[in-house]
Amino acid sequence: ILNVEQSPQSLHVQEGDSTNFTCSFPSSNFYALHWYRWETAKSPEALFVMTLNGDEKKKGRISATLNTKEGYSYLYIKGSQPEDSATYLCASLSSNTGKLIFGQGTTLQVKP
Amino acid sequence: EPEVTQTPSHQVTQMGQEVILRCVPISNHLYFYWYRQILGQKVEFLVSFYNNEISEKSEIFDDQFSVERPDGSNFTLKIRSTKLEDSAMYFCASSEEFQPQHFGDGTRLSIL
Repeated sequence: ILNVEQSPQSLHVQEGDSTNFTCSFPSSNFYALHWYRWETAKSPEALFVMTLNGDEKKKGRISATLNTKEGYSYLYIKGSQPEDSATYLCASLSSNTGKLIFGQGTTLQVKP
Repeated sequence: EPEVTQTPSHQVTQMGQEVILRCVPISNHLYFYWYRQILGQKVEFLVSFYNNEISEKSEIFDDQFSVERPDGSNFTLKIRSTKLEDSAMYFCASSEEFQPQHFGDGTRLSIL
Protein backbone atom coordinates (compact mmCIF):
# COMPACT_ATOMS: atom_id res chain seq x y z
CA ILE A 1 0.00 0.00 0.00
CA LEU A 2 1.49 3.33 -1.07
CA ASN A 3 -1.34 5.61 -0.08
CA VAL A 4 -3.62 6.08 2.88
CA GLU A 5 -7.03 4.70 1.97
CA GLN A 6 -10.26 4.76 3.93
CA SER A 7 -13.42 2.78 3.52
CA PRO A 8 -16.26 3.14 3.14
CA GLN A 9 -16.36 6.59 1.57
CA SER A 10 -19.71 7.29 3.21
CA LEU A 11 -22.00 5.62 5.67
CA HIS A 12 -25.59 6.22 6.71
CA VAL A 13 -26.74 4.64 9.97
CA GLN A 14 -29.65 4.96 12.35
CA GLU A 15 -29.27 6.47 15.79
CA GLY A 16 -28.18 3.76 18.19
CA ASP A 17 -26.39 1.66 15.57
CA SER A 18 -22.76 0.79 16.12
CA THR A 19 -20.45 1.27 13.19
CA ASN A 20 -16.84 0.97 12.16
CA PHE A 21 -14.59 2.13 9.36
CA THR A 22 -11.19 1.18 8.08
CA CYS A 23 -7.96 3.02 7.37
CA SER A 24 -5.17 1.34 5.41
CA PHE A 25 -1.71 2.87 5.39
CA PRO A 26 1.84 2.01 4.31
CA SER A 27 3.38 -0.19 6.99
CA SER A 28 6.94 0.82 6.12
CA ASN A 29 8.50 3.93 7.70
CA PHE A 30 5.64 4.11 10.17
CA TYR A 31 5.72 6.67 12.96
CA ALA A 32 2.11 7.15 13.98
CA LEU A 33 -1.49 7.00 12.83
CA HIS A 34 -3.77 9.97 13.55
CA TRP A 35 -7.57 10.00 13.56
CA TYR A 36 -9.45 13.28 13.17
CA ARG A 37 -13.11 14.18 13.30
CA TRP A 38 -14.15 16.92 10.88
CA GLU A 39 -17.53 18.56 11.10
CA THR A 40 -18.77 20.75 8.28
CA ALA A 41 -17.58 24.36 8.51
CA LYS A 42 -15.25 23.53 11.40
CA SER A 43 -11.62 22.51 11.66
CA PRO A 44 -10.48 18.88 11.96
CA GLU A 45 -10.38 17.83 15.61
CA ALA A 46 -7.87 15.26 16.81
CA LEU A 47 -9.36 12.04 18.19
CA PHE A 48 -6.38 9.71 18.60
CA VAL A 49 -2.68 9.41 17.94
CA MET A 50 -1.63 5.77 17.82
CA THR A 51 1.92 4.51 17.61
CA LEU A 52 2.26 0.94 18.83
CA ASN A 53 1.15 -2.23 17.11
CA GLY A 54 -1.88 -3.54 18.97
CA ASP A 55 -2.70 -0.11 20.41
CA GLU A 56 -6.31 0.41 21.41
CA LYS A 57 -7.57 3.85 22.35
CA LYS A 58 -10.95 4.98 23.57
CA LYS A 59 -12.71 8.33 23.92
CA GLY A 60 -16.27 7.99 25.14
CA ARG A 61 -18.18 5.90 22.60
CA ILE A 62 -15.39 6.07 20.03
CA SER A 63 -12.48 3.65 20.01
CA ALA A 64 -9.70 2.73 17.61
CA THR A 65 -7.29 -0.14 17.06
CA LEU A 66 -3.99 -0.28 15.23
CA ASN A 67 -2.14 -3.01 13.33
CA THR A 68 1.17 -1.63 12.10
CA LYS A 69 2.41 -4.93 10.67
CA GLU A 70 -0.41 -5.21 8.17
CA GLY A 71 -1.02 -1.47 7.92
CA TYR A 72 -4.59 -0.90 9.06
CA SER A 73 -6.58 0.82 11.77
CA TYR A 74 -10.25 0.52 12.66
CA LEU A 75 -12.40 3.24 14.18
CA TYR A 76 -15.48 2.11 16.06
CA ILE A 77 -18.45 4.17 17.19
CA LYS A 78 -20.77 2.48 19.65
CA GLY A 79 -24.41 3.58 19.74
CA SER A 80 -24.10 6.31 17.11
CA GLN A 81 -25.78 9.64 17.84
CA PRO A 82 -26.75 12.40 15.37
CA GLU A 83 -23.94 14.55 16.77
CA ASP A 84 -21.46 11.91 15.57
CA SER A 85 -22.28 12.93 12.00
CA ALA A 86 -19.00 14.16 10.53
CA THR A 87 -16.17 13.14 8.25
CA TYR A 88 -13.60 10.94 9.96
CA LEU A 89 -10.09 11.31 8.61
CA CYS A 90 -7.11 9.11 9.24
CA ALA A 91 -3.58 10.25 8.51
CA SER A 92 -0.27 8.45 8.53
CA LEU A 93 2.87 10.03 9.93
CA SER A 94 5.86 8.52 8.13
CA SER A 95 8.66 10.81 9.24
CA ASN A 96 9.66 12.92 12.22
CA THR A 97 8.88 16.15 10.39
CA GLY A 98 5.18 15.98 11.17
CA LYS A 99 4.11 15.39 7.58
CA LEU A 100 0.66 13.76 7.68
CA ILE A 101 -0.62 11.84 4.68
CA PHE A 102 -4.40 11.85 4.81
CA GLY A 103 -6.96 9.39 3.57
CA GLN A 104 -10.00 10.67 1.74
CA GLY A 105 -12.18 10.34 4.82
CA THR A 106 -15.33 8.46 5.72
CA THR A 107 -18.43 10.63 5.96
CA LEU A 108 -20.85 9.38 8.57
CA GLN A 109 -24.48 10.44 8.66
CA VAL A 110 -26.48 9.36 11.70
CA LYS A 111 -30.24 9.63 11.29
CA PRO A 112 -32.38 10.25 14.36
CA GLU B 1 -9.15 25.97 25.01
CA PRO B 2 -6.42 27.56 22.86
CA GLU B 3 -6.96 27.33 19.15
CA VAL B 4 -5.29 28.00 15.84
CA THR B 5 -6.73 31.03 14.07
CA GLN B 6 -6.54 31.76 10.37
CA THR B 7 -7.28 34.92 8.41
CA PRO B 8 -8.95 35.70 6.15
CA SER B 9 -11.66 33.06 6.09
CA HIS B 10 -12.17 33.66 2.38
CA GLN B 11 -9.81 35.29 -0.11
CA VAL B 12 -10.73 36.07 -3.71
CA THR B 13 -7.81 37.01 -5.94
CA GLN B 14 -7.16 37.56 -9.63
CA MET B 15 -4.93 35.04 -11.33
CA GLY B 16 -1.32 36.18 -11.29
CA GLN B 17 -1.62 38.10 -8.06
CA GLU B 18 0.18 37.29 -4.84
CA VAL B 19 -1.69 36.25 -1.70
CA ILE B 20 -0.62 35.91 1.90
CA LEU B 21 -2.55 33.58 4.16
CA ARG B 22 -2.10 34.19 7.85
CA CYS B 23 -2.15 31.89 10.83
CA VAL B 24 -1.69 32.31 14.54
CA PRO B 25 -0.65 28.94 15.97
CA ILE B 26 -1.21 27.89 19.57
CA SER B 27 1.29 29.84 21.61
CA ASN B 28 3.36 27.03 23.16
CA HIS B 29 3.53 24.95 19.98
CA LEU B 30 6.81 24.75 18.11
CA TYR B 31 5.80 22.79 15.02
CA PHE B 32 3.78 24.43 12.26
CA TYR B 33 2.22 23.10 9.08
CA TRP B 34 0.26 24.10 6.01
CA TYR B 35 -2.12 21.75 4.23
CA ARG B 36 -4.59 22.30 1.46
CA GLN B 37 -7.71 20.60 0.17
CA ILE B 38 -8.82 21.09 -3.40
CA LEU B 39 -12.57 20.59 -3.64
CA GLY B 40 -13.43 16.89 -3.71
CA GLN B 41 -9.87 15.75 -3.11
CA LYS B 42 -7.82 14.60 -0.13
CA VAL B 43 -6.21 16.97 2.33
CA GLU B 44 -2.63 17.41 1.06
CA PHE B 45 0.50 18.25 3.03
CA LEU B 46 2.35 21.33 1.83
CA VAL B 47 5.06 22.12 4.35
CA SER B 48 6.23 21.66 7.92
CA PHE B 49 8.22 24.27 9.82
CA TYR B 50 10.27 24.04 12.98
CA ASN B 51 12.94 26.19 14.58
CA ASN B 52 12.50 28.90 11.97
CA GLU B 53 13.13 26.68 9.02
CA ILE B 54 11.29 24.30 6.73
CA SER B 55 11.66 20.72 7.94
CA GLU B 56 9.86 19.08 5.04
CA LYS B 57 7.99 20.24 1.95
CA SER B 58 5.92 18.40 -0.61
CA GLU B 59 6.32 18.37 -4.38
CA ILE B 60 3.48 20.88 -4.54
CA PHE B 61 5.49 23.38 -2.50
CA ASP B 62 7.63 24.76 -5.30
CA ASP B 63 9.18 28.21 -5.76
CA GLN B 64 5.72 29.72 -6.02
CA PHE B 65 5.21 29.12 -2.30
CA SER B 66 7.01 30.39 0.76
CA VAL B 67 6.43 30.39 4.50
CA GLU B 68 7.53 32.78 7.14
CA ARG B 69 7.28 33.32 10.84
CA PRO B 70 7.69 37.10 10.85
CA ASP B 71 7.26 37.50 14.60
CA GLY B 72 6.64 35.36 17.64
CA SER B 73 2.99 34.69 16.87
CA ASN B 74 2.22 34.65 13.14
CA PHE B 75 2.93 31.96 10.56
CA THR B 76 2.24 32.95 6.96
CA LEU B 77 1.95 31.19 3.63
CA LYS B 78 2.71 33.32 0.57
CA ILE B 79 1.63 32.23 -2.88
CA ARG B 80 3.13 34.19 -5.74
CA SER B 81 1.67 34.43 -9.26
CA THR B 82 -1.47 32.55 -8.32
CA LYS B 83 -2.97 30.11 -10.79
CA LEU B 84 -6.51 28.83 -11.15
CA GLU B 85 -5.43 25.46 -9.76
CA ASP B 86 -4.32 27.12 -6.51
CA SER B 87 -8.01 27.50 -5.60
CA ALA B 88 -8.45 25.37 -2.49
CA MET B 89 -9.06 25.41 1.23
CA TYR B 90 -5.77 26.08 3.02
CA PHE B 91 -5.34 24.84 6.58
CA CYS B 92 -2.73 25.84 9.07
CA ALA B 93 -1.90 23.50 11.95
CA SER B 94 0.43 23.49 14.92
CA SER B 95 1.56 20.93 17.44
CA GLU B 96 3.91 20.00 20.19
CA GLU B 97 6.47 17.32 19.36
CA PHE B 98 4.83 13.99 18.46
CA GLN B 99 1.40 15.26 19.53
CA PRO B 100 -1.84 15.67 17.56
CA GLN B 101 -1.91 18.58 15.17
CA HIS B 102 -4.40 21.34 15.92
CA PHE B 103 -5.99 22.81 12.83
CA GLY B 104 -7.41 26.23 12.10
CA ASP B 105 -10.76 26.69 10.38
CA GLY B 106 -9.04 27.26 7.05
CA THR B 107 -8.88 29.97 4.41
CA ARG B 108 -10.88 29.39 1.27
CA LEU B 109 -8.81 30.75 -1.61
CA SER B 110 -10.61 31.44 -4.86
CA ILE B 111 -8.55 32.40 -7.90
CA LEU B 112 -10.48 34.10 -10.69
